[in-house]
Amino acid sequence: AQRVTQPEKLLSVFKGAPVELKCNYSYSGSPELFWYVQYSRQRLQLLLRHISRESIKGFTADLNKGETSFHLKKPFAQEEDSAMYYCALFTGGGNKLTFGTGTQLKVEL
Amino acid sequence: NAGVTQTPKFQVLKTGQSMTLQCAQDMNHNSMYWYRQDPGMGLRLIYYSASEGTTDKGEVPNGYNVSRLNKREFSLRLESAAPSQTSVYFCASSDRDRVYEQYFGPGTRLTVT
Repeated sequence: AQRVTQPEKLLSVFKGAPVELKCNYSYSGSPELFWYVQYSRQRLQLLLRHISRESIKGFTADLNKGETSFHLKKPFAQEEDSAMYYCALFTGGGNKLTFGTGTQLKVEL
Repeated sequence: NAGVTQTPKFQVLKTGQSMTLQCAQDMNHNSMYWYRQDPGMGLRLIYYSASEGTTDKGEVPNGYNVSRLNKREFSLRLESAAPSQTSVYFCASSDRDRVYEQYFGPGTRLTVT
């Protein structure tokens, strides 16, 4: 069965510091990985998908199949990055997403 | 477009009471989902409906029932609420071919005493 692990419940960084939100997955097939974000008082929304290989709001994430990881990174944290971040795995045949437990990112001034 | 709407926003129930959470979407999506969000547990799928007329169990379906009333509406029913069902419930929808891109509602905060 597929599984997504986000080891950090809370990650606190200072403004301007690099950010790395960790995500590991377990799935024997070919996965598709995504990051969702929920800002305060806003709805959960898709942030980025690994297959697009694009940078959204300065965030990037690279799928590492060898380490089964999909860590979210940003070189310089901004206050507006404070939010709850969820890593999600899509395996195609199941017609659904499997979410991790989420990491609350807090960017301090 | 309102996107995904949920009613009510807040609800307090006593153990054993029943209620239905309503969800509607105006994006002409085929697939709809119900999740619960709990601290330390993340988002867990309760039920989903890949298309009108079909429903399937997710990760935590016990204690819940769903109805896909039509293409727009997908309701979640608690027949006999329990304190363990205290949670924030989210409805989401997606295009059938883009299941990974789900659009979420604002959530319903349910407390069972």
